Amino acid sequence: AQSVAQPEDQVNVAEGNPLTVKCTYSVSGNPYLFWYVQYPNRGLQFLLKYITGDNLVKGSYGFEAEFNKSQTSFHLKKPSALVSDSALYFCAVRRTGNNRKLIWGLGTSLAVNP
Amino acid sequence: GAVVSQHPSWVICKSGTSVKIECRSLDFQATTMFWYRQFPKQSLMLMATSNEGSKATYEQGVEKDKFLINHASLTLSTLTVTSAHPEDSSFYICSARPPASGNNEQFFGPGTRLTVL
Repeated sequence: AQSVAQPEDQVNVAEGNPLTVKCTYSVSGNPYLFWYVQYPNRGLQFLLKYITGDNLVKGSYGFEAEFNKSQTSFHLKKPSALVSDSALYFCAVRRTGNNRKLIWGLGTSLAVNP
Repeated sequence: GAVVSQHPSWVICKSGTSVKIECRSLDFQATTMFWYRQFPKQSLMLMATSNEGSKATYEQGVEKDKFLINHASLTLSTLTVTSAHPEDSSFYICSARPPASGNNEQFFGPGTRLTVL
């Protein structure tokens, strides 16, 4: 069965420090991988995606993620966290093919402390 | 980027009434829209896939007669919660995928907070 795991409910990091939000997946075939962010009282916003090519993907707001096929992971990273990065982050996966449904992780709440 | 709107952003209704939520793609045509439900501090739960000009495809466990979906045009899908009950209170989110998007990126509406008294 296809699934996405975000093992941490919450991540706390000091402003200016690097941050990592973890995501692992299980899907048959080649995956499409996505990160979305949800700010309080706002809709989901797309951050970045991996489809093919370079394993390191750069996205919005200085975020990046690395696709690791052997570890089936797609961790979200940022070199220097900002307080404004505090939000709920969702990892999602979709397998190639005609099925357009995304499989979502449970989300990780990121708190960046000043 | 593509913009998706939802209306209303929040609604409070009495138990037993029906509530309609609109999802519009503002600057692109969407043959497919998705309706999600999100509980507090939980992930998105896909309810159904809305297909323009045909019946929606519902996920297992989602009542078709309870959650009516109409995708009447390429820019509008509606979700009607019929005979709403307090347990239907939730955050409902729609998304749309531009047909030219080869990477299946979805654009999300801001969500609708439904509270059933």
